[in-house]
Amino acid sequence: SQQGEEDPQALSIQEGENATMNCSYKTSINNLQWYRQNSGRGLVHLILIRSNEREKHTGRLRVTLDTSKKSSSLLITASRAADTASYFCATVPSGTYKYIFGTGTRLKVLA
Amino acid sequence: DAGITQSPRHKVTETGTPVTLRCHQTENHRYMYWYRQDPGHGLRLIHYSYGVKDTDKGEVSDGYSVSRSKTEDFLLTLESATSSQTSVYFCAITPSGGAGTGELFFGEGSRLTVL
Repeated sequence: SQQGEEDPQALSIQEGENATMNCSYKTSINNLQWYRQNSGRGLVHLILIRSNEREKHTGRLRVTLDTSKKSSSLLITASRAADTASYFCATVPSGTYKYIFGTGTRLKVLA
Repeated sequence: DAGITQSPRHKVTETGTPVTLRCHQTENHRYMYWYRQDPGHGLRLIHYSYGVKDTDKGEVSDGYSVSRSKTEDFLLTLESATSSQTSVYFCAITPSGGAGTGELFFGEGSRLTVL
């Protein structure tokens, strides 16, 4: 299977704290993306980082990519209760149009 | 709103019956994908399409077939449903210039229960 792994599988933090989740993948990639899924809904794209980039920011999100280790991390700063959701990384293996998703991290932010 | 509609949204069926799920888009995007989501497995790619009548297999294609006779519709068929195909099915699309390089837009999912 090409599927990536994410850790932790679940994370519970207090509002205002930072949340970090990690993604590991198996193949060389074009880019890596992070998605968010609220309970019972479809996934929503958060951020994309290309294989030649090492770090990217948008709003309270910071993503890093280490292609030598085939890993990425997503940092959510100053978390809010509304950030409670599942977060997935997705990679696009080089030379393909396939988006391969990780197993996800369930984040719960306590008010 | 990415203009993706999945139908039916919920379906309960019996083992051995055929089932077809429909994904309809209003965006005229070339690339369409079917995923299944199960606890502990995240999303797994079943099939994808890169144009009318052009489809390819994903990671978990056994027991599934697809068809795309029009740009706007991508059908997923379970020829003879099994209990292991109980899942939530998601359709996703990406713009023609964005396949592999852009973001996916997802439908709201179709929950299928096979008894």
